[in-house]
Amino acid sequence: QVQLVQSGAEVRRPGAAVKVSCKPSGYTFTGYDLNWVRQAPGHGLEWMGRMDPYSGTTAYAQRFQGRVTMTRNTSIGTAYMELSNLTSEDTAVYYCARIIKGMYAYIYYYMDVWGKGTAVTVSS
Amino acid sequence: SSELTQDPAVSVALGQTVRITCQGDSLKNTYASWYQQKPRQAPVLVMFGKDNRPSGIPDRFSGSSSGNTASLTITGAQAEDEADYYCHSRDNSGNHLEVFGTGTKVTVL
Repeated sequence: QVQLVQSGAEVRRPGAAVKVSCKPSGYTFTGYDLNWVRQAPGHGLEWMGRMDPYSGTTAYAQRFQGRVTMTRNTSIGTAYMELSNLTSEDTAVYYCARIIKGMYAYIYYYMDVWGKGTAVTVSS
Repeated sequence: SSELTQDPAVSVALGQTVRITCQGDSLKNTYASWYQQKPRQAPVLVMFGKDNRPSGIPDRFSGSSSGNTASLTITGAQAEDEADYYCHSRDNSGNHLEVFGTGTKVTVL
């Protein structure tokens, strides 16, 4: 079945960077864009950006521009999200999610499969 | 930037009907998708497109839209429906970025 397997929990010091991986299975890796969504404790879902694994093209939320980098390794079918210059406000669970394009009167998008999440703790 | 606004919390008696709404300019020309999230779990897609349920989602969940408002309705709410619900859409105004709603906590009494 289709699933997204994420890397394990991470702990970082303020100012450091973290790189989280997401390995899809059950479908063609390059066939669908992957999104990264985070959730700080007690807060809602926050979209960070997405990547087209086929071309490597990315789109980032404005608030993460310059600090986030989304990449992939097509030879091993894995996507990565790296966030730099971490602060305590980056403590959150980070999810990857596959996004699908649909059409019925309008074009629409939905995230049908999610990883289980990777907890990132930033603490001195 | 595009925003999607939801009521923070709603409650519903067991077996009754509850509607969760999501408002935003992007919804004038696209459909929202809806996600259910229970504590310490990843979000789960429950509704997408005009009114489509993924496999395994009970038919007590339904979706609708009008103007700039999308709605998710639970008809005959069950205890297991108690969760946070988020809407999502892509901003089609030019930047094509994704946006999530602020989230609604549904309590089943």
